[in-house]
Amino acid sequence: AQSVTQLDSHVSVSEGTPVLLRCNYSSSYSPSLFWYVQHPNKGLQLLLKYTSAATLVKGINGFEAEFKKSETSFHLTKPSAHMSDAAEYFCVVRPSGYSTLTFGKGTMLLVSP
Amino acid sequence: GAVVSQHPSRVICKSGTSVKIECRSLDFQATTMFWYRQFPKQSLMLMATSNEGSKATYEQGVEKDKFLINHASLTLSTLTVTSAHPEDSSFYICSARDDREYGYTFGSGTRLTVV
Repeated sequence: AQSVTQLDSHVSVSEGTPVLLRCNYSSSYSPSLFWYVQHPNKGLQLLLKYTSAATLVKGINGFEAEFKKSETSFHLTKPSAHMSDAAEYFCVVRPSGYSTLTFGKGTMLLVSP
Repeated sequence: GAVVSQHPSRVICKSGTSVKIECRSLDFQATTMFWYRQFPKQSLMLMATSNEGSKATYEQGVEKDKFLINHASLTLSTLTVTSAHPEDSSFYICSARDDREYGYTFGSGTRLTVV
């Protein structure tokens, strides 16, 4: 069975400061991992994905994430937050050989001026 | 990049009526599409997996007779909420899996309000 734990329901940062959104996963098989962003009343946009290639994955809008198998983590980071980054972020796991996705509960990122 | 079009974006309907939501992959083929429901300030809950040319696979607790799914072509899946009630009010999101690269693209969602 697979599961995803997003350790923070809300994260607040000031514009220009670093962002860290934490995600731990459990999966019976070698997983693919994703981060998606959702703005209010919108669908989900893919930020980045890990599919067993490089463990440091670079995504769009300056986001990146590092896959750490020993820690079963896939934390999302960005060096400098922008106001437009304020949104809900979902960490998602898909075990190898499966087609369905398992979502974390989401982390709301709040960015203050 | 891959684009999924979902319509309508918003719909208000009366109790007892049915509502159809369309999910269309615009520039890729999608043998498999997914339907999710999202409650306010919560994560996405998978309702069903839609496979082109075959019956959908519903998750436990999802009423297949209430949420009818049709995936008649490689680019279109529809979700029909039948005999809608206020408790069906929610945000519904579809996702299509790109057959070429096993990526997942989401639609922009449908806000259903049943009055």
